[in-house]
Amino acid sequence: ETGVTQTPRHLVMGMTNKKSLKCEQHLGHNAMYWYKQSAKKPLELMFVYNFKEQTENNSVPSRFSPECPNSSHLFLHLHTLQPEDSALYLCASSEGNEQFFGPGTRLTVL
Amino acid sequence: GESVGLHLPTLSVQEGDNSIINCAYSNSASDYFIWYKQESGKGPQFIIDIRSNMDKRQGQRVTVLLNKTVKHLSLQIAATQPGDSAVYFCAENVRSNDYKLSFGAGTTVTVRA
Repeated sequence: ETGVTQTPRHLVMGMTNKKSLKCEQHLGHNAMYWYKQSAKKPLELMFVYNFKEQTENNSVPSRFSPECPNSSHLFLHLHTLQPEDSALYLCASSEGNEQFFGPGTRLTVL
Repeated sequence: GESVGLHLPTLSVQEGDNSIINCAYSNSASDYFIWYKQESGKGPQFIIDIRSNMDKRQGQRVTVLLNKTVKHLSLQIAATQPGDSAVYFCAENVRSNDYKLSFGAGTTVTVRA
C-alpha cells in the first residue's frame, strides 16, 4: 500500500512502562518525521530527521525520545507517559515537499 | 500557532454530487500547498498539490484552487463516491522551513447513498 510501515499498529501501556514505536520507509527518502494526531486537532509535528540528523524538536517532552539509526528507520522511545499522550502516532518520510505517511500506531496510556 | 485551518469540520454530500472542501491559511510566505485524505484506520494519503505560482491544478476527479489574494485553498471532488468518505487535510509549506508542513484540523466528508 505505502512504502512506510509502522509497528506495532496498536499499543496499550501503563504510565510506568517503557516501549518503542518503529517506523521503516522503503522509498529511499532522506527525511523522516514523527507526528502526533489527537482527535479534532491538527497533526502536531514532533520530530524531523534529515539524513539521520535531527533538525527539529517541536518542544516535545523528554518522555518521548526519537532515534534514527539510518535513513530508513526511525524509532520513538516512550517512557513514563501520561494518559493525555494517548493518540495516533504517525511516521512520514519525504524527499521533497510531499510527505508519505505510514498507517500509524494507536497508543493508549492507562 | 496554527496557520492553516478549514472552514467546516464536517461535510455531508449526496453520492454523485460535487464536493467542495475549503481551507484558509494565514502565512503569506507559504509557497506550496497539499491536500491529504485520511480514511479510518489509515495514515494520510496524498491527493494533489499546488505551488503558489499556479491558481488551479487538476487531477483525476479532483481540482485544487488557490486564491493567494484572500489566502484561500479549496479541493473540489467531482461526482463524489462512497469511497471518498474520509477526513481531508490541507497543509502548507513555507520555503524557508524546507520540509516542514503545517496542517489544518481536517474536514470529515460523509457521502450519503
